[in-house]
Amino acid sequence: AQRVTQPEKLLSVFKGAPVELKCNYSYSGSPELFWYVQYSRQRLQLLLRHISRESIKGFTADLNKGETSFHLKKPFAQEEDSAMYYCALSPPAYSGAGSYQLTFGKGTKLSVIP
Amino acid sequence: SQTIHQWPATLVQPVGSPLSLECTVEGTSNPNLYWYRQAAGRGLQLLFYSVGIGQISSEVPQNLSASRPQDRQFILSSKKLLLSDSGFYLCAWSPSSYQPQHFGDGTRLSIL
Repeated sequence: AQRVTQPEKLLSVFKGAPVELKCNYSYSGSPELFWYVQYSRQRLQLLLRHISRESIKGFTADLNKGETSFHLKKPFAQEEDSAMYYCALSPPAYSGAGSYQLTFGKGTKLSVIP
Repeated sequence: SQTIHQWPATLVQPVGSPLSLECTVEGTSNPNLYWYRQAAGRGLQLLFYSVGIGQISSEVPQNLSASRPQDRQFILSSKKLLLSDSGFYLCAWSPSSYQPQHFGDGTRLSIL
Protein backbone atom coordinates (compact mmCIF):
# COMPACT_ATOMS: atom_id res chain seq x y z
CA ALA A 1 0.00 0.00 0.00
CA GLN A 2 1.19 3.51 -0.68
CA ARG A 3 1.83 5.78 2.24
CA VAL A 4 3.29 9.21 2.87
CA THR A 5 4.81 10.12 6.21
CA GLN A 6 5.58 13.63 7.41
CA PRO A 7 7.15 13.10 10.82
CA GLU A 8 6.85 16.68 12.05
CA LYS A 9 3.48 18.22 12.81
CA LEU A 10 5.05 21.59 13.53
CA LEU A 11 8.35 23.11 12.53
CA SER A 12 9.46 26.50 13.82
CA VAL A 13 12.48 28.29 12.38
CA PHE A 14 13.84 31.81 12.56
CA LYS A 15 13.72 34.10 9.57
CA GLY A 16 16.83 33.61 7.47
CA ALA A 17 17.48 30.10 8.78
CA PRO A 18 17.44 27.05 6.50
CA VAL A 19 14.27 25.01 6.30
CA GLU A 20 13.84 21.31 5.69
CA LEU A 21 10.41 19.71 5.75
CA LYS A 22 10.69 15.95 5.81
CA CYS A 23 8.69 13.53 3.73
CA ASN A 24 9.13 9.77 3.45
CA TYR A 25 7.05 7.53 1.28
CA SER A 26 6.21 3.90 0.80
CA TYR A 27 5.43 2.69 -2.70
CA SER A 28 6.42 -0.39 -4.70
CA GLY A 29 7.78 1.36 -7.74
CA SER A 30 8.62 4.88 -8.82
CA PRO A 31 5.81 7.22 -7.83
CA GLU A 32 5.26 10.82 -8.74
CA LEU A 33 5.80 13.12 -5.77
CA PHE A 34 4.48 16.55 -4.96
CA TRP A 35 4.49 19.26 -2.36
CA TYR A 36 1.28 21.18 -1.75
CA VAL A 37 1.04 24.30 0.40
CA GLN A 38 -1.83 26.04 2.14
CA TYR A 39 -1.27 29.59 3.31
CA SER A 40 -3.54 31.12 5.91
CA ARG A 41 -7.04 31.69 4.51
CA GLN A 42 -6.03 30.40 1.09
CA ARG A 43 -6.66 27.25 -0.87
CA LEU A 44 -4.48 24.22 -0.97
CA GLN A 45 -2.24 24.68 -3.99
CA LEU A 46 0.52 22.82 -5.76
CA LEU A 47 3.98 24.05 -4.81
CA LEU A 48 6.15 21.75 -6.87
CA ARG A 49 6.38 18.27 -8.38
CA HIS A 50 9.53 16.23 -8.60
CA ILE A 51 9.38 15.58 -12.34
CA SER A 52 9.57 19.31 -13.03
CA ARG A 53 12.85 19.66 -11.16
CA GLU A 54 12.03 23.29 -10.55
CA SER A 55 12.47 25.76 -7.74
CA ILE A 56 9.35 27.57 -6.62
CA LYS A 57 9.55 30.49 -4.17
CA GLY A 58 13.06 29.35 -3.37
CA PHE A 59 11.97 25.84 -2.41
CA THR A 60 13.44 22.71 -3.91
CA ALA A 61 12.81 19.04 -3.28
CA ASP A 62 15.06 16.17 -4.17
CA LEU A 63 13.80 12.67 -4.66
CA ASN A 64 16.01 10.12 -2.92
CA LYS A 65 14.88 6.70 -4.09
CA GLY A 66 17.32 4.88 -1.82
CA GLU A 67 15.92 6.53 1.28
CA THR A 68 12.41 6.87 -0.22
CA SER A 69 12.39 10.51 0.76
CA PHE A 70 11.29 13.76 -0.85
CA HIS A 71 12.32 16.46 1.60
CA LEU A 72 11.43 20.09 0.89
CA LYS A 73 14.22 22.59 1.42
CA LYS A 74 14.83 26.30 1.37
CA PRO A 75 18.16 27.91 2.29
CA PHE A 76 16.73 31.06 3.91
CA ALA A 77 13.24 31.07 5.43
CA GLN A 78 10.99 34.08 5.02
CA GLU A 79 7.98 35.06 7.12
CA GLU A 80 5.65 34.56 4.16
CA ASP A 81 6.68 30.91 4.04
CA SER A 82 4.62 30.24 7.16
CA ALA A 83 1.96 27.79 6.04
CA MET A 84 0.80 24.19 6.11
CA TYR A 85 2.81 21.93 3.82
CA TYR A 86 1.63 18.57 2.51
CA CYS A 87 3.67 15.95 0.75
CA ALA A 88 1.73 13.78 -1.71
CA LEU A 89 2.29 10.75 -3.90
CA SER A 90 0.59 9.30 -6.96
CA PRO A 91 1.20 6.31 -9.19
CA PRO A 92 3.29 7.19 -12.25
CA ALA A 93 1.42 7.93 -15.47
CA TYR A 94 2.83 4.88 -17.20
CA SER A 95 1.47 2.55 -14.53
CA GLY A 96 -2.04 2.67 -15.94
CA ALA A 97 -3.31 2.86 -12.38
CA GLY A 98 -6.19 5.01 -13.44
CA SER A 99 -7.00 8.49 -12.43
CA TYR A 100 -4.61 10.75 -10.68
CA GLN A 101 -4.99 9.45 -7.16
CA LEU A 102 -3.05 11.47 -4.65
CA THR A 103 -2.08 10.05 -1.29
CA PHE A 104 -1.32 12.84 1.16
CA GLY A 105 0.75 13.01 4.30
CA LYS A 106 -0.73 14.56 7.42
CA GLY A 107 1.06 17.82 6.83
CA THR A 108 3.65 19.95 8.60
CA LYS A 109 2.90 23.42 9.84
CA LEU A 110 5.84 25.70 9.20
CA SER A 111 6.13 28.74 11.41
CA VAL A 112 8.80 31.30 10.56
CA ILE A 113 9.70 33.46 13.53
CA PRO A 114 10.60 37.08 12.72
CA SER B 1 -9.34 30.87 -16.61
CA GLN B 2 -10.60 27.90 -14.68
CA THR B 3 -12.23 28.29 -11.29
CA ILE B 4 -13.69 25.89 -8.76
CA HIS B 5 -16.53 26.73 -6.41
CA GLN B 6 -17.47 24.73 -3.38
CA TRP B 7 -20.33 25.38 -0.97
CA PRO B 8 -21.33 25.80 1.73
CA ALA B 9 -18.16 26.91 3.52
CA THR B 10 -19.40 25.63 6.87
CA LEU B 11 -22.26 23.37 7.83
CA VAL B 12 -23.62 22.13 11.12
CA GLN B 13 -25.96 19.17 10.90
CA PRO B 14 -27.61 16.83 13.41
CA VAL B 15 -26.87 13.12 13.40
CA GLY B 16 -29.20 11.29 11.05
CA SER B 17 -29.88 14.25 8.79
CA PRO B 18 -29.13 14.21 5.05
CA LEU B 19 -26.18 15.96 3.42
CA SER B 20 -25.53 17.59 0.09
CA LEU B 21 -22.28 19.39 -0.70
CA GLU B 22 -21.84 20.86 -4.12
CA CYS B 23 -18.81 21.58 -6.25
CA THR B 24 -18.71 23.19 -9.67
CA VAL B 25 -15.88 23.97 -12.05
CA GLU B 26 -15.87 26.74 -14.64
CA GLY B 27 -13.69 27.38 -17.64
CA THR B 28 -12.94 23.81 -18.62
CA SER B 29 -14.71 20.78 -19.99
CA ASN B 30 -14.65 17.12 -19.02
CA PRO B 31 -12.43 17.63 -15.98
CA ASN B 32 -11.53 14.91 -13.52
CA LEU B 33 -13.27 15.67 -10.23
CA TYR B 34 -12.39 14.57 -6.71
CA TRP B 35 -13.78 14.64 -3.17
CA TYR B 36 -11.36 14.49 -0.23
CA ARG B 37 -11.91 14.49 3.51
CA GLN B 38 -9.60 15.64 6.22
CA ALA B 39 -10.57 14.38 9.64
CA ALA B 40 -9.04 15.93 12.76
CA GLY B 41 -5.36 15.01 13.08
CA ARG B 42 -5.30 13.09 9.84
CA GLY B 43 -4.15 13.76 6.30
CA LEU B 44 -6.30 14.28 3.26
CA GLN B 45 -8.08 11.12 2.22
CA LEU B 46 -9.51 10.61 -1.26
CA LEU B 47 -13.18 9.63 -1.05
CA PHE B 48 -14.40 9.68 -4.64
CA TYR B 49 -13.18 10.58 -8.08
CA SER B 50 -14.90 10.94 -11.42
CA VAL B 51 -13.49 10.96 -14.94
CA GLY B 52 -16.82 11.74 -16.63
CA ILE B 53 -20.55 12.27 -16.22
CA GLY B 54 -22.10 9.46 -14.27
CA GLN B 55 -18.72 7.79 -13.65
CA ILE B 56 -17.91 7.62 -9.96
CA SER B 57 -15.17 5.61 -8.29
CA SER B 58 -15.09 5.16 -4.55
CA GLU B 59 -11.83 4.79 -2.68
CA VAL B 60 -13.08 3.87 0.76
CA PRO B 61 -16.25 2.23 2.10
CA GLN B 62 -18.31 4.81 3.89
CA ASN B 63 -21.59 6.42 4.65
CA LEU B 64 -21.26 8.89 1.79
CA SER B 65 -22.01 8.83 -1.93
CA ALA B 66 -21.10 11.03 -4.86
CA SER B 67 -22.80 11.95 -8.09
CA ARG B 68 -21.89 13.84 -11.22
CA PRO B 69 -25.12 14.91 -12.89
CA GLN B 70 -23.40 17.39 -15.19
CA ASP B 71 -19.94 17.65 -16.70
CA ARG B 72 -18.69 20.25 -14.24
CA GLN B 73 -20.79 19.46 -11.19
CA PHE B 74 -19.82 17.07 -8.44
CA ILE B 75 -22.06 16.40 -5.44
CA LEU B 76 -21.26 14.68 -2.17
CA SER B 77 -24.28 13.25 -0.36
CA SER B 78 -25.44 11.23 2.56
CA LYS B 79 -28.90 9.99 3.49
CA LYS B 80 -28.13 9.85 7.22
CA LEU B 81 -25.10 11.56 8.71
CA LEU B 82 -23.00 9.91 11.42
CA LEU B 83 -20.85 11.63 14.01
CA SER B 84 -17.82 10.19 12.25
CA ASP B 85 -18.70 12.14 9.10
CA SER B 86 -17.45 15.34 10.74
CA GLY B 87 -14.47 16.83 9.01
CA PHE B 88 -13.18 19.12 6.35
CA TYR B 89 -14.27 18.23 2.81
CA LEU B 90 -12.34 19.39 -0.21
CA CYS B 91 -13.33 19.24 -3.85
CA ALA B 92 -10.65 19.25 -6.52
CA TRP B 93 -10.35 19.06 -10.27
CA SER B 94 -7.68 18.28 -12.83
CA PRO B 95 -7.66 18.76 -16.61
CA SER B 96 -7.16 15.03 -17.08
CA SER B 97 -5.58 12.07 -15.40
CA TYR B 98 -1.96 12.55 -14.39
CA GLN B 99 -2.31 16.33 -14.28
CA PRO B 100 -1.98 18.33 -11.06
CA GLN B 101 -5.12 18.85 -9.04
CA HIS B 102 -6.62 22.21 -8.11
CA PHE B 103 -8.56 22.52 -4.90
CA GLY B 104 -11.63 24.41 -3.74
CA ASP B 105 -11.92 26.30 -0.46
CA GLY B 106 -13.43 23.35 1.39
CA THR B 107 -16.46 22.77 3.60
CA ARG B 108 -16.17 22.33 7.33
CA LEU B 109 -18.86 19.89 8.40
CA SER B 110 -19.76 19.51 12.06
CA ILE B 111 -22.17 16.81 13.17
CA LEU B 112 -24.01 17.31 16.44
